[in-house]
Amino acid sequence: SAVISQKPSRDICQRGTSLTIQCQVDSQVTMMFWYRQQPGQSLTLIATANQGSEATYESGFVIDKFPISRPNLTFSTLTVSNMSPEDSSIYLCSVAALAGLSTDTQYFGPGTRLTVL
Amino acid sequence: QQQVKQSPQSLIVQKGGISIINCAYENTAFDYFPWYQQFPGKGPALLIAIRPDVSEKKEGRFTISFNKSAKQFSLHIMDSQPGDSATYFCAASIRSSNTGKLIFGQGTTLQVKP
Repeated sequence: SAVISQKPSRDICQRGTSLTIQCQVDSQVTMMFWYRQQPGQSLTLIATANQGSEATYESGFVIDKFPISRPNLTFSTLTVSNMSPEDSSIYLCSVAALAGLSTDTQYFGPGTRLTVL
Repeated sequence: QQQVKQSPQSLIVQKGGISIINCAYENTAFDYFPWYQQFPGKGPALLIAIRPDVSEKKEGRFTISFNKSAKQFSLHIMDSQPGDSATYFCAASIRSSNTGKLIFGQGTTLQVKP
């Protein structure tokens, strides 16, 4: 398995500002994913971030709003830009394909709870 | 066609009872079906998963039943305990795509009463 940490765990931000969320994994992973989970809702994939390539965004999510960095095999950041109250959600990173294993199993971080005023 | 439909939205079960959560899908290309358990304030954790070459998989008190022809799968929690109270998500993916992308169901909030 993998131990995943996210920073910050929660934040309250003002409209129009940006927040960068960090995701750190204790082992090298090929695939990292960023999800959004609105209160009481399911998980929606924002983008896939594989090291050495540009992030791949899902329909409805764009790089200008959610820029992602993946500088190495253990770390990624997601920025939520020009925030509005509609961006209030839990943001989760997950990882798959540990140490050459299959992509089947995904491990999730604890999430970052974002509130935008 | 990429959706996974999950029911019920919420479920209340007495301690010792059986909890049953159902999921249905349309895309026959899906070939991996995991269930995740999420406690408040935590990220989802993989509970159990099945591939369509088997009809049932059991791990302890948790069993997945899979009906390929009906395109349905379900999670059964035997001898449900108050500690099982959580939100459960089914999911599906296409392993051969090698993208790792999971499509999640809407979630079921389970409450097990003592």
